[in-house]
Amino acid sequence: GAVVSQHPSRVICKSGTSVKIECRSLDFQATTMFWYRQFPKQSLMLMATSNEGSKATYEQGVEKDKFLINHASLTLSTLTVTSAHPEDSSFYICSAPPGTGDEKLFFGSGTQLSVL
Amino acid sequence: KQEVTQIPAALSVPEGENLVLNCSFTDSAIYNLQWFRQDPGKGLTSLLLIQSSQREQTSGRLNASLDKSSGRSTLYIAASQPGDSATYLCAVDTGTASKLTFGTGTRLQVTL
Repeated sequence: GAVVSQHPSRVICKSGTSVKIECRSLDFQATTMFWYRQFPKQSLMLMATSNEGSKATYEQGVEKDKFLINHASLTLSTLTVTSAHPEDSSFYICSAPPGTGDEKLFFGSGTQLSVL
Repeated sequence: KQEVTQIPAALSVPEGENLVLNCSFTDSAIYNLQWFRQDPGKGLTSLLLIQSSQREQTSGRLNASLDKSSGRSTLYIAASQPGDSATYLCAVDTGTASKLTFGTGTRLQVTL
């Protein structure tokens, strides 16, 4: 089945630094990937849609200059949290449709970001 | 705006029991509904997907039903096992580029 790999699984950083999270589709090409954020005991909230070869589409209330998304190839999307602050601490997870006509979304294993 | 609610928020049952998790959504104009499993600090595993035209889907000990007109779905787990302990999320797809709206989840614990 389709596999989505997300790295790193956990990162701890100082306030003010930038953190890059990678999401790779391992056995399929993904022209679209989705980035979600999950706060403790809350549900997943869609942040943005990553589009290969074009600009990402951000959901209302998500700062595009804060959360930089790059989808440079058909198998890789990256989310960079710029100048991270403690309030950015959250669980970030990506997903991608396999593009085979299967409508299930496949999710990465997530990244737990802790900003000190 | 679509809102998805799951009840109960948490559930603890002894091994072997059958159980039902509930999901309700406010806008019945959905494309499909999915049930996911999430283990602590991990990603999501898709369990079942029900198209808007379907009423149920089954996979092993899992059965999901969908009543689109009333905005409800249930996930039935038969003969629960400790390995079923996880958070179960339902999510609806309104057909807009596969964007999903998730419920807040039900944390299930199956005890020995």
